[in-house]
Parts: sequence; C-alpha cells; structure tokens
Amino acid sequence: TQLLEQSPQFLSIQEGENLTVYCNSSSVFSSLQWYRQEPGEGPVLLVTVVTGGEVKKLKRLTFQFGDARKDSSLHITAAQPGDTGLYLCAGVTYGQNFVFGPGTRLSVLP
Amino acid sequence: KAGVTQTPRYLIKTRGQQVTLSCSPISGHRSVSWYQQTPGQGLQFLFEYFSETQRNKGNFPGRFSGRQFSNSRSEMNVSTLELGDSALYLCASGASVGGLQETQYFGPGTRLLVL
Repeated sequence: TQLLEQSPQFLSIQEGENLTVYCNSSSVFSSLQWYRQEPGEGPVLLVTVVTGGEVKKLKRLTFQFGDARKDSSLHITAAQPGDTGLYLCAGVTYGQNFVFGPGTRLSVLP
Repeated sequence: KAGVTQTPRYLIKTRGQQVTLSCSPISGHRSVSWYQQTPGQGLQFLFEYFSETQRNKGNFPGRFSGRQFSNSRSEMNVSTLELGDSALYLCASGASVGGLQETQYFGPGTRLLVL
C-alpha cells in the first residue's frame, strides 16, 4: 500500500510569515501534485512536479520534488490570509492512480 | 468551459437507506473518479470510470458502486447506509489521454449526512 504523510497537520501563522509544508512517502511516484481545498469546495490543482529534483514557482509558492521522487515540499513566502486552506499532496503512481496525503490545514491570521 | 458539477450538494439520509450521487464531468473528459473525504481518513479513492468501464477500484465494500453513461456522466450509489458513510463525496474528471500526466479537476462535492 502506498501512503503519503504530510507535516505539519495544522499550522497557524501571522500574515507575512514564511512557511514550509512537507509531503513524504516510502514509495516512488511518477509525479506529485499539490492541491488547495477551501471549505465547502473540492480541491484545486496548484502544480504538478514530474522530474526528480524539480523546482516550480507559482508567485509566492515554491514546490520541490525530491531527487528520489518520494517526497515534496511546498514553501510559501510572505503568507496572506487568502492562502488559508487545506493543502493536499497527491502522488501519481505509475499505474496512473492517485494517492492523497491527509493534508496540512493552514490558517493565516491578518 | 464549465467545470465539474455534482448534484445534490447536500443530502441527509437515515441508516439503512440508499443514495445516488451524480457527477457531470468537464465537456470532453472521459475519465471520472470518485473519492470519499472525511476528517479522520482524508481523501480516499473509491473508483474510476473511463468510457463506461470501471478502470480502477479502491478498498471500499460492495455497498459502494458506480456507473458511467455514454455521455461520460457518472453516478455513485451507496446502499444500506451506515453512520460512517457520512462524508464529502468528491468527483473528479480527467481527459485521460493516456501516456501523459493526468490532471484531475474536482467538483465541489456532495456532503452526505447519515443519521
């Protein structure tokens, strides 16, 4: 069974602070995706990382895929209240199945 | 392009009843996946349909079933509801062009409460 762990589970920070959330697995994935989910809505795809060691930037968000394709991190610079939500990582297996982590619930206080 | 739509958005049922949830994927998408999301278990994969055939299945009991129609719309059915079936049920559609990285687009979900 392929499992993804995310840390921390909960994070509450002040506006303007930086943060990093982690997604780890003992399994290798063909790619890894990050989603953000807001209350009452479905997850929305933020990024897909495909190559081991890959770094992608999306405005204030920086995503990294581990060299061994087993882990990933999401770094947010100067967090804003609009960044509040549940951040989910999802590993895409070579069989094109998706395995989701439990999520990191982020709260950015103004 | 319209997004993924799910109906109904909210549903209250009692134990022992059955329920059918509906999902209309993005136009042109042929893959529909269903997930159950609960605070304790997170997002768990139920099954995926592609061109009216179940292509993948998660570890859920047989009370959970689904189907896909020729227009790619999908329904999910849960029979003999249990309290633990209370959850947000999410549908995701994908182009599933084969060999390329799949991107899933999620609907807003149906929140089911079993009393």
